[in-house]
Amino acid sequence: NAGVMQNPRHLVRRRGQEARLRCSPMKGHSHVYWYRQLPEEGLKFMVYLQKENIIDESGMPKERFSAEFPKEGPSILRIQQVVRGDSAAYFCASSPKRNTEAFFGQGTRLTVV
Amino acid sequence: AQSVSQHNHHVILSEAASLELGCNYSYGGTVNLFWYVQYPGQHLQLLLKYFSGDPLVKGIKGFEAEFIKSKFSFNLRKPSVQWSDTAEYFCAPLGATDKLIFGTGTRLQVFP
Repeated sequence: NAGVMQNPRHLVRRRGQEARLRCSPMKGHSHVYWYRQLPEEGLKFMVYLQKENIIDESGMPKERFSAEFPKEGPSILRIQQVVRGDSAAYFCASSPKRNTEAFFGQGTRLTVV
Repeated sequence: AQSVSQHNHHVILSEAASLELGCNYSYGGTVNLFWYVQYPGQHLQLLLKYFSGDPLVKGIKGFEAEFIKSKFSFNLRKPSVQWSDTAEYFCAPLGATDKLIFGTGTRLQVFP
């Protein structure tokens, strides 16, 4: 059973470009969470999705950020018009049901130049 | 609102020393509690978890944690650390919000 797969592992974007981060949850997991980790900081919750539904997006910036988890395919975190402050590690986690432990992917390290 | 506080930001120990990392959370309802570990350059891995029952839970690699409900605490312990325990440790409660809320983490450095 493969773990949570994130790609790409490293992503470099120029200011103003779009970044698309992908997350394939573990088999049988229908709950996906996205977190952002800035240098010297902990993980900040961004969004919680179930298949085709956004359950909680209280941690998502109001502009430029969006997330989806379609019926088929991976979950996508999309950042439009990236700025230097978006540089961070973005981690995806999945779980099989509510209120249980989540399993994390290796993360995508986004660098905006 | 659900929140968590880790008091030790950076801990430096010699091998074989004992470890205790503090974690306090604020949440009035039923809460599940987790400790995750992040080794340098790697993703988060589950160290141990508490859902119910015996408040002293044992995890991987000799770690354990004790849930003290009256103190809203879930401190992590290990009697004798190893150099390979060098990592960042995160406490995370999980309540009715259905999302893990992470503390700022504690960076542990173990010197041989």
